[in-house]
Amino acid sequence: QVQLVESGGGAVQPGRSLRLSCAASGFTFNTYGMHWVRQAPGKGLDWVAFMSYDGKKISYTDSVKGRFTVSRDNSKGMLFLEMNSLRGEDTAVYYCARFRRPWLILDSIDSWGQGTLVTVSS
Amino acid sequence: SYVLTQSPSVSVASGQTATITCGGNNIESKTVNWYQKRAGQAPVVVVHDDSDRPSGIPERFSGSNSGNTATLTITRVEAGDEADYFCQVYDRSSDHWVFGGGTKLSVL
Repeated sequence: QVQLVESGGGAVQPGRSLRLSCAASGFTFNTYGMHWVRQAPGKGLDWVAFMSYDGKKISYTDSVKGRFTVSRDNSKGMLFLEMNSLRGEDTAVYYCARFRRPWLILDSIDSWGQGTLVTVSS
Repeated sequence: SYVLTQSPSVSVASGQTATITCGGNNIESKTVNWYQKRAGQAPVVVVHDDSDRPSGIPERFSGSNSGNTATLTITRVEAGDEADYFCQVYDRSSDHWVFGGGTKLSVL
């Protein structure tokens, strides 16, 4: 079955960097678009970034553009989120999530990881 | 950028019908997905593409989309339906995926 396992979260000071990883299994990773979505404590879901199955289409929410970089290694079934210049408002549980169907640039999400917590605080 | 508006909370008695709305400018021109989020758990899609229900989701869950409002309807509400529900669309003009603020469903 589809499994998405995030890792790399932790506590970090403002201005520092962190790299999140998402290990995918149970499906043909290189055919699915992938998202990063976060949820701050007590808040709603907040879309962060998207990368298409082939890495050719990338999108970011405005608040992370220029600070975060999404990437993927299709040979290893891995999705990454490089987060630089972290701010307090980046504190959240970060989820990786998969499109419902392969080969699409636009679709709903049907699989989510359990999330990894990032805490940005001095 | 495109904004989706949801009421913060909805309360309904067990066995009754819950209606959760998602407002957006001409939202009917977009495809709406709905996610259920329980505390400490990953989100689960309950309706995709406005009104399609994934396998494993009870028929009690249904969706519609018209004008400026998309609606998630849960009939014969059960205690296990208590969760936060989020609507989501893709906004082509900004190339952003957008979530509504979420609605907390309480079952009385």
